[in-house]
Amino acid sequence: GEDVEQSLFLSVREGDSSVINCTYTDSSSTYLYWYKQEPGAGLQLLTYIFSNMDMKQDQRLTVLLNKKDKHLSLRIADTQTGDSAIYFCAESITVAGGGNKLTFGTGTQLKVEL
Amino acid sequence: ETGVTQTPRHLVMGMTNKKSLKCEQHLGHNAMYWYKQSAKKPLELMFVYNFKEQTENNSVPSRFSPECPNSSHLFLHLHTLQPEDSALYLCASSQEDSLEQYFGPGTRLTVT
Repeated sequence: GEDVEQSLFLSVREGDSSVINCTYTDSSSTYLYWYKQEPGAGLQLLTYIFSNMDMKQDQRLTVLLNKKDKHLSLRIADTQTGDSAIYFCAESITVAGGGNKLTFGTGTQLKVEL
Repeated sequence: ETGVTQTPRHLVMGMTNKKSLKCEQHLGHNAMYWYKQSAKKPLELMFVYNFKEQTENNSVPSRFSPECPNSSHLFLHLHTLQPEDSALYLCASSQEDSLEQYFGPGTRLTVT
């Protein structure tokens, strides 16, 4: 079955690093994603990682994947107040007939304090 | 500017009403999706369309009826909804085999 779990809240001070964790259950996932949702807005893709990689870095973002433990994390360096949002972890499988089926976690509310 | 627009942004309807949500994408994609986002629950995939054909129905009740007249437009027709259907309904699009889904801002639906 498909199940993606995240902690609900994380609070950090501005300038510190944030680490948001996620666990998933579907070993057939091909890609894993991090999306960001700001208040009143849709989801914005931040980054993704192929399931046979263990790390990906993109500017302030570092994604770590432990496939054996089915654990994914997102590290945000030098966290800013503009990073305050809900962060969703998602895994995908290809749908027969086309398109990708994403299974999302509940989201982690990141609050950045001054 | 996401390239995916949704109307209306907010909708309040009674349980006996019939209404429709509209999604339009200006990105030249050929796959479109409806998701439901309820408070404190994971985002739920409802429907997937690829080249106007429905390829996934995630056990959605028949009171939700999708329509995809072309690759740029996606509708969700609503009738005899329940209060527990109140949620944010998000539309997304992607290229068929693309990793990236682009989301619209959503329609906040309240069923009274």
